[in-house]
Amino acid sequence: DGGITQSPKYLFRKEGQNVTLSCEQNLNHDAMYWYRQDPGQGLRLIYYSQIVNDFQKGDIAEGYSVSREKKESFPLTVTSAQKNPTAFYLCASFHRDSANYGYTFGSGTRLTVV
Amino acid sequence: AQKVTQAQTEISVVEKEDVTLDCVYETRDTTYYLFWYKQPPSGELVFLIRRNSFDEQNEISGRYSWNFQKSTSSFNFTITASQVVDSAVYFCALSETTKTSYDKVIFGPGTSLSVIP
Repeated sequence: DGGITQSPKYLFRKEGQNVTLSCEQNLNHDAMYWYRQDPGQGLRLIYYSQIVNDFQKGDIAEGYSVSREKKESFPLTVTSAQKNPTAFYLCASFHRDSANYGYTFGSGTRLTVV
Repeated sequence: AQKVTQAQTEISVVEKEDVTLDCVYETRDTTYYLFWYKQPPSGELVFLIRRNSFDEQNEISGRYSWNFQKSTSSFNFTITASQVVDSAVYFCALSETTKTSYDKVIFGPGTSLSVIP
């Protein structure tokens, strides 16, 4: 079945370390997104990519970086510059055809700074 | 500017009660999509429904129903005969279809529903 795979499910990071969250899709979608969710909060857009080798900053990109070398993959790196990285991270791809217009989400990665 | 408001932060109901989750949106566009997503405790967002701005028909899917009213910019979600498995956070979202390739989706803050057995 097609979908979005995020790994790992849980991730622990020491202060000052960079960590990379994986997001893979087999839906053949061009567009992919990363969202951050804090407890009791909605979703905030970190980065998005409309096509391979191109990506754009979202609303809260500071302290994060991404790459889009393959259509299927859109990894997110949480750098040491991100001062409060503990959160739930969701990856999504986007259908643009009218019949299925909207997001498919992965199951998320819960990142904790220890 | 786009905005999605879910005024109910938390709702608790007793099992088998009906419950309505409110969603009010703001947009200047005439063409847009509205969505509802369910986020159970596991965290994954589950798609529930999509509605485009030209289709104001209400929809029923089992115990779920949606009331879309453009006149009041609302897209409310009703669960009939609620069950414990309905306990989750529910997000309403708005997407404007733009001429650029970026389909911006704005999420509401979510409503946390607890169904008590």
